[in-house]
Amino acid sequence: AQSVTQPDIHITVSEGASLELRCNYSYGATPYLFWYVQSPGQGLQLLLKYFSGDTLVQGIKGFEAEFKRSQSSFNLRKPSVHWSDAAEYFCAVAQAAGNKLTFGGGTRVLVKP
Amino acid sequence: KAGVTQTPRYLIKTRGQQVTLSCSPISGHRSVSWYQQTPGQGLQFLFEYFSETQRNKGNFPGRFSGRQFSNSRSEMNVSTLELGDSALYLCASSRDFGETQYFGPGTRLLVL
Repeated sequence: AQSVTQPDIHITVSEGASLELRCNYSYGATPYLFWYVQSPGQGLQLLLKYFSGDTLVQGIKGFEAEFKRSQSSFNLRKPSVHWSDAAEYFCAVAQAAGNKLTFGGGTRVLVKP
Repeated sequence: KAGVTQTPRYLIKTRGQQVTLSCSPISGHRSVSWYQQTPGQGLQFLFEYFSETQRNKGNFPGRFSGRQFSNSRSEMNVSTLELGDSALYLCASSRDFGETQYFGPGTRLLVL
C-alpha cells in the first residue's frame, strides 16, 4: 500500500530565511506527487505537482520541489519565506487509477518576524 | 470561474443522527472526491465519484456513503453518527484523473 511520511511535525523559520519540508513516499510504481498548503480554517490549495519529466518542479508562491526516485523523496523548498507562508503543508501521492490521494501527516510551519 | 463549494460550512449533530453534506464541483469537472480530516488520523480518503459512478473507496465503514448526480454535484451521508465522526470533511473536484484536484473549504461537523 502506498504511504507518505513527513518527518517534521513542526518547523519554525525566520522571515526571509529558506525553508525545506521533507516528504518520503512508498509506492510501487511511478508516483504522482503533490504538495498542498492549508491555512487555518481553509481547504487545501495545490502548490505544485509532479507527474513525469523534469524532476525539479516549480509551483506557485515561489515554491519548488525536487523528485528523487533513488531516495523516494519529494522535498519542498522556498528560498525566502514570508510571514504569509505560515500554514500547514501536506505532501500527497496518487495511485495509478482514480483520484485517491494518500496524504502525509503534515508539517506546520511557523514564521518568526 | 467559481471554485468548489460545500454546504453547509458548519454543522452540529448528536450521536445517532444522520447527516448529509453537499459538494458542488467546478463547472466542467466530473470527478468529485471526499476526504475526512481529523487531528488524530489526518487526511483520509473516503470515496471518489466520476460520472455518477463510485470509482474508488477508502477504508471507512458502511455508515459513510455518497452519490453523484448527473450535474456532477455530490453528496455524502453519514448515518448513525458517532463522536469520532467529528471532523472537517473536504471535497475536491477535477476534470479527471491526473488533473489537478481543487479543494473546497470543507464542512466542519461536530457530533455531540
